Amino acid sequence: DTAVSQTPKYLVTQMGNDKSIKCEQNLGHDTMYWYKQDSKKFLKIMFSYNNKELIINETVPNRFSPKSPDKAHLNLHINSLELGDSAVYFCASSSGTVGKTQYFGPGTRLLVL
Amino acid sequence: GQSLEQPSEVTAVEGAIVQINCTYQTSGFYGLSWYQQHDGGAPTFLSYNGLDGLEETGRFSSFLSRSDSYGYLLLQELQMKDSASYFCAVMSGGATNKLIFGTGTLLAVQP
Repeated sequence: DTAVSQTPKYLVTQMGNDKSIKCEQNLGHDTMYWYKQDSKKFLKIMFSYNNKELIINETVPNRFSPKSPDKAHLNLHINSLELGDSAVYFCASSSGTVGKTQYFGPGTRLLVL
Repeated sequence: GQSLEQPSEVTAVEGAIVQINCTYQTSGFYGLSWYQQHDGGAPTFLSYNGLDGLEETGRFSSFLSRSDSYGYLLLQELQMKDSASYFCAVMSGGATNKLIFGTGTLLAVQP
């Protein structure tokens, strides 16, 4: 009965590799988000999708490409991973685009070596 | 620019009351939210203020003054399990609402 789930939970990879993180929510929400939390715990939005359409695209390198096959799923693909990409990536969802209450997934801890 | 300021750390004892302040400067403002995050966990929604005043949810209350660009989270009857990071976040209005998070306050509750 997990509300927002992410896979994998941990990801250790080499610089230059390509990796994907998957997110699914069973809350019936129509807006989903990707956040990045760095080592200092600073949490910053990267992308937001509403009903499979991109509505927020912060200043994120184009090596990061989100994909939403349906409104319950939002995946994040990262090309040519760099050391600075090491962080915790959180998926979240909310009802509507106002997003007052956002429900976060457990996070994916990415370590780039 | 957009910024939210919170104290980096607060320490209190069990049973006490603690207030975590948040001042913000953002280009748009729709409301102020508070999230709790335990170490190694995910942020969890606590409270939202869209209008000035106090919102109470159990042991937690949140206050907003839009004219002062200021809010706070009040935690009463502190318990050990309240030890966590607390983030204020501004819902930045406009064509697309987004949450802009503060730097977080690490609350340590001591016995």
